[in-house]
Amino acid sequence: KAGVTQTPRYLIKTRGQQVTLSCSPISGHRSVSWYQQTPGQGLQFLFEYFSETQRNKGNFPGRFSGRQFSNSRSEMNVSTLELGDSALYLCASSNDRGSPGELFFGEGSRLTVL
Amino acid sequence: GENVEQHPSTLSVQEGDSAVIKCTYSDSASNYFPWYKQELGKGPQLIIDIRSNVGEKKDQRIAVTLNKTAKHFSLHITETQPEDSAVYFCAASHSNSGYALNFGKGTSLLVTP
Repeated sequence: KAGVTQTPRYLIKTRGQQVTLSCSPISGHRSVSWYQQTPGQGLQFLFEYFSETQRNKGNFPGRFSGRQFSNSRSEMNVSTLELGDSALYLCASSNDRGSPGELFFGEGSRLTVL
Repeated sequence: GENVEQHPSTLSVQEGDSAVIKCTYSDSASNYFPWYKQELGKGPQLIIDIRSNVGEKKDQRIAVTLNKTAKHFSLHITETQPEDSAVYFCAASHSNSGYALNFGKGTSLLVTP
């Protein structure tokens, strides 16, 4: 069974630009979550999608957005990039048995903002 | 919101020794406490989890204990091996937050031969 796939793995952007990251969950998983990982703040929850609906959202500004498609694939977008947005963005999928359970993480997309 | 604190931030042990990592949480409504291991260049991977109706759980060399009254939980690794070297994260969440995990800042564990 293929794991969670994130693309691109690495990207470099400049301040003010926008970026879109993609995540393909494990087949059959309908829940997709996104986390930002930085050395200073650690792992922080961005949002979670289930059946194309945002189910939870973390404390990030509106520049961070996401969506989920009918095939459960998800994208997240960051607009008007700032230097502080440089981070590893991790996507995780879950088979959602109705209560919190195991998250299967991808290897992440490493974003560098110059 | 939930605040999870994790200690120590770094831990070095000799192969065969035990390692203990401790976490505290602030939200008494939290009822799910997973531990993730992250190796260099990879995403975190679940190694063990515990729910609030259980005080202790063990899986081979790994065990987790939970003290709901004191709001802390710990990860115990016995007979450590060099391949246990990684960053370990504790997390907490409650049913109402779905898969929104609140992570600790991580512990970098080094097991020396």
